[in-house]
Amino acid sequence: SQQGEEDPQALSIQEGENATMNCSYKTSINNLQWYRQNSGRGLVHLILIRSNEREKHSGRLRVTLDTSKKSSSLLITASRAADTASYFCAYSTGTASKLTFGTGTRLQVTL
Amino acid sequence: DTAVSQTPKYLVTQMGNDKSIKCEQNLGHDTMYWYKQDSKKFLKIMFSYNNKELIINETVPNRFSPKSPDKAHLNLHINSLELGDSAVYFCASRPASGDTYEQYFGPGTRLTVT
Repeated sequence: SQQGEEDPQALSIQEGENATMNCSYKTSINNLQWYRQNSGRGLVHLILIRSNEREKHSGRLRVTLDTSKKSSSLLITASRAADTASYFCAYSTGTASKLTFGTGTRLQVTL
Repeated sequence: DTAVSQTPKYLVTQMGNDKSIKCEQNLGHDTMYWYKQDSKKFLKIMFSYNNKELIINETVPNRFSPKSPDKAHLNLHINSLELGDSAVYFCASRPASGDTYEQYFGPGTRLTVT
């Protein structure tokens, strides 16, 4: 399957801690994106990193990309209860229009 | 203002029936998508249209037929529904050109086939 793999499948942390989730894929990519999905809702785009970039920041989010290892990580710093959601990586290859999604990480942030 | 909207939000129907899900986006985007998310939360692309033209058609049973009457709308019609069609279906859109690759998702339609 070309679907990206994410780990961990589930992560439970306390508010204020950092959360790290990883994504691995099997093909050359144009860019890699991270999305958040709150329970019962649609996906919301968080951040995009291009294949020629190694690290990117947006607020409390930090994304890294290692194309040699075909992997990416998403770090959420100083987590909040409102960060509780599922997080998906998604990458595009030859056809920029098509996204292939990872298996997702369920993040639970407790008070 | 809802950017990408879907109707209905919930759909419960019996096997063998035919049903449609509608999607509309008011973002002025040229490209629209249908995704299927199964019970394990795996999200997989089904179709994509660019300006009313089909550009992506994954391995989907031909019981599923997308229709795009204009670039702001992409509907999904499903014939002879089966139990395995139960899932959440998401519509999404993005600009076709430029440097924007992020997709904007609708709230989803939860389809339950009994």
